[in-house]
Formats: sequence, C-alpha cells, structure tokens
Amino acid sequence: AQSVSQHNHHVILSEAASLELGCNYSYGGTVNLFWYVQYPGQHLQLLLKYFSGDPLVKGIKGFEAEFIKSKFSFNLRKPSVQWSDTAEYFCAVNANTGRRALTFGSGTRLQVQP
Amino acid sequence: GAGVSQSPSNKVTEKGKDVELRCDPISGHTALYWYRQSLGQGLEFLIYFQGNSAPDKSGLPSDRFSAERTGGSVSTLTIQRTQQEDSAVYLCASSLAGPGAEAFFGQGTRLTVV
Repeated sequence: AQSVSQHNHHVILSEAASLELGCNYSYGGTVNLFWYVQYPGQHLQLLLKYFSGDPLVKGIKGFEAEFIKSKFSFNLRKPSVQWSDTAEYFCAVNANTGRRALTFGSGTRLQVQP
Repeated sequence: GAGVSQSPSNKVTEKGKDVELRCDPISGHTALYWYRQSLGQGLEFLIYFQGNSAPDKSGLPSDRFSAERTGGSVSTLTIQRTQQEDSAVYLCASSLAGPGAEAFFGQGTRLTVV
C-alpha cells in the first residue's frame, strides 16, 4: 500500500527566508507525485506534479520540487517565501498501476511572518 | 461554473440521522474521489470511482458509509446513523483518466454531528 509522510507539521518563517518541506513516500512501483496547496478559506489546488522526465519540477508561484527516487522523496522548495505563501501544503502520490487513488500526507501548515 | 461543485456547503445533523452529500464533478472527468479532512488531520481517502470500473472502496471507515456515482457523473456520499466522530469536511475531487492527471477539488461539505 502507498503511504506518504510529511515530517514538518507546522513551519514558521519570516518573509524572504528559504523553504524546504519534506515529503517521503513508500511504494515500490512507478509513482506520480504531487504537491497541493490550500490557502486559508480556499479549496485545494495543484502546486506542481512529477509524472516523468526531469526530476526537478517547477510549479506555480516560484515553487519547485525534486524527485529523488533512491530516497523516495519529493521535497518542496522555494528560495524566498512571501506572506501570501501562508497556507497548508499537502504531498500526494498515486501509482501508475494498481491503486490509482491519490494518497495524501498529513499536511504541513506554513506560516510566513511579515 | 466549470469547477467541482459540492452541496450542501454546511450540514448540521443530529447523531443517529442519515446524511447525503452531493458532488458534481467537472464535465468529462471520468475519475471522482471522496476524501475526509478532520481538524489537524490530512486528507483521509474514502472512495474512488474511475469510469465504469468497480470503485475502490478501501478507504470507507465503516459500513455506515457508502457512495454511488450515477451515469458516470454526479456522486452521492451517504453516511447512515451518523456519529460525532463523523464530523469533518468531506471533499470531492475529479480528474481526467490517467494516473498523472491533476485532481480538481470542490470546496467541501462541512458536516457537524451534534
């Protein structure tokens, strides 16, 4: 079965600080990896995804993530956060075969202080 | 609108009553998901529909929970004999076929069991 671990539950940063949120998954087969974001009062929306090809994926609003297969990781990064990045971030995975439903991590709440 | 629509947006029910939550997916999306989001928790997978295939019901927490998808479009999640621990936000998402497809989420239904 697939599982996703997000070890940072709550992160507080000042504006302009660099961000890295950890995501590890467990699944032996080929996977697709996603980061979703939920801004306060809004619905979940896709930030970026890895399907195939270049393991360094760039998403919206300056976010990027790197798929490291040997480490089963897909960490999210941003070099300089803004107050508007305050949100909850969810890592998710699904498989190319077998169970296709997205499995989500428990989320990381990011608070950016001005 | 072109997004995933869920109704009602809020539902307060008495313990022991049955409730039905509705999801209208994006037109043309063959995959539909139900998740549950409790305070401080991640997204708990409930059920996944993909086209005419048998649904993946592996996430339903008990036999009080059921879901159907009529005509490959609208889906209804039914919770029978509600309990207080069923209180949560129930999220619906839809996507095109294919494991790497982006899932689009609705605003959710906030269910409160009193």
